[in-house]
Amino acid sequence: KAGVTQTPRYLIKTRGQQVTLSCSPISGHRSVSWYQQTPGQGLQFLFEYFSETQRNKGNFPGRFSGRQFSNSRSEMNVSTLELGDSALYLCASSPGTSGGVSSYNEQFFGPGTRLTVL
Amino acid sequence: LAKTTQPISMDSYEGQEVNITCSHNNIATNDYITWYQQFPSQGPRFIIQGYKTKVTNEVASLFIPADRKSSTLSLPRVSLSDTAVYYCLLYGANNLFFGTGTRLTVIP
Repeated sequence: KAGVTQTPRYLIKTRGQQVTLSCSPISGHRSVSWYQQTPGQGLQFLFEYFSETQRNKGNFPGRFSGRQFSNSRSEMNVSTLELGDSALYLCASSPGTSGGVSSYNEQFFGPGTRLTVL
Repeated sequence: LAKTTQPISMDSYEGQEVNITCSHNNIATNDYITWYQQFPSQGPRFIIQGYKTKVTNEVASLFIPADRKSSTLSLPRVSLSDTAVYYCLLYGANNLFFGTGTRLTVIP
């Protein structure tokens, strides 16, 4: 079974631009979560999608948004990029159930997208 | 909101047992405790998950006291390849917090 894939792996943008990152979950997984990882703040939860609906959201500004498609693939968008948005963005998938956030399922992480904002 | 606290770093010699403790004083009734391992330039990898008492799998054990305000990940007989960052995570309704992570360095 193929793992979680994220594209692109590396990205360089300038301040003020916007960026879209893509995540393809493991086949059959319906829950996709996004995380931001920086040396200073560690791993921070952005949001989770299940069956095309955002089910939970972390404490990030509205510039960070996402969506999930009917095939469970997910995209994350960051508008008006700031220098502080430079980070590793990780996507994780899990089977998920309708019972609650991540439903205590093991999450499988992708390799991440390294975003650098200049 | 429930958060977790872990030691920033630990060193251990090969072959020793390593115990990493995570504090989560405000854990909610619905929260499960999960540990992940992360190597450089890779996404975290699931190690073990539990709710209370003790859980054991082929790579680690997880000890959770009755009050659930802390948990201890136990790695038996560590090797150099266990050098990584270990994260404690609380899973539950509206709770998705990774701890700061503990950087474990295994010394030959």
